[in-house]
Amino acid sequence: GQNIDQPTEMTATEGAIVQINCTYQTSGFNGLFWYQQHAGEAPTFLSYNVLDGLEEKGRFSSFLSRSKGYSYLLLKELQMKDSASYLCAVLSNDYKLSFGAGTTVTVRA
Amino acid sequence: GAVVSQHPSRVICKSGTSVKIECRSLDFQATTMFWYRQFPKKSLMLMATSNEGSKATYEQGVEKDKFLINHASLTLSTLTVTSAHPEDSSFYICSARELDGSSYEQYFGPGTRLTVT
Repeated sequence: GQNIDQPTEMTATEGAIVQINCTYQTSGFNGLFWYQQHAGEAPTFLSYNVLDGLEEKGRFSSFLSRSKGYSYLLLKELQMKDSASYLCAVLSNDYKLSFGAGTTVTVRA
Repeated sequence: GAVVSQHPSRVICKSGTSVKIECRSLDFQATTMFWYRQFPKKSLMLMATSNEGSKATYEQGVEKDKFLINHASLTLSTLTVTSAHPEDSSFYICSARELDGSSYEQYFGPGTRLTVT
């Protein structure tokens, strides 16, 4: 089975940095995705990691350690519009995505 | 970027009726489309994988006779919730994977909010 854990909620101040951790235990691994989802909307792609290390893309960075079954999404220079749910998803051997429950990030002024 | 549409965005139906939800890839061809459901503040749960021209593959616990999936073309998949009940009320999201895509990225539709009264 798939087990993907991430914190339920996080709160941070505008301009600050927030790190969302994700740990996983899955049957097979073909990469890890991070998505952003605003309430009532579809998830939008943020990042994809398949090799260990840090991938930086503007204000967002994502890190992966396959040996530890661990990833994090780093959001820098937080803006009010970053308030959303962030979903960690693992691509398994059969190329299906398994999602964590999502982390709701609230950015305060 | 790749765009996936869903129709309708919201639907309210009476218990016992059937509802069809369409998922279209607008600017690319998709060999594979996926159907998810999401309960409030919960994760997306994969219901089934739909491959063009073949039968859908359902996840464990999902009734194939209740959730009928048809993938008639490389740009259209439909999900029909048959004999809907209030417990079927949920947010249904489809995604599509590009035919000749170099990655395994899935492009998500905007979702359909189903309410069964």
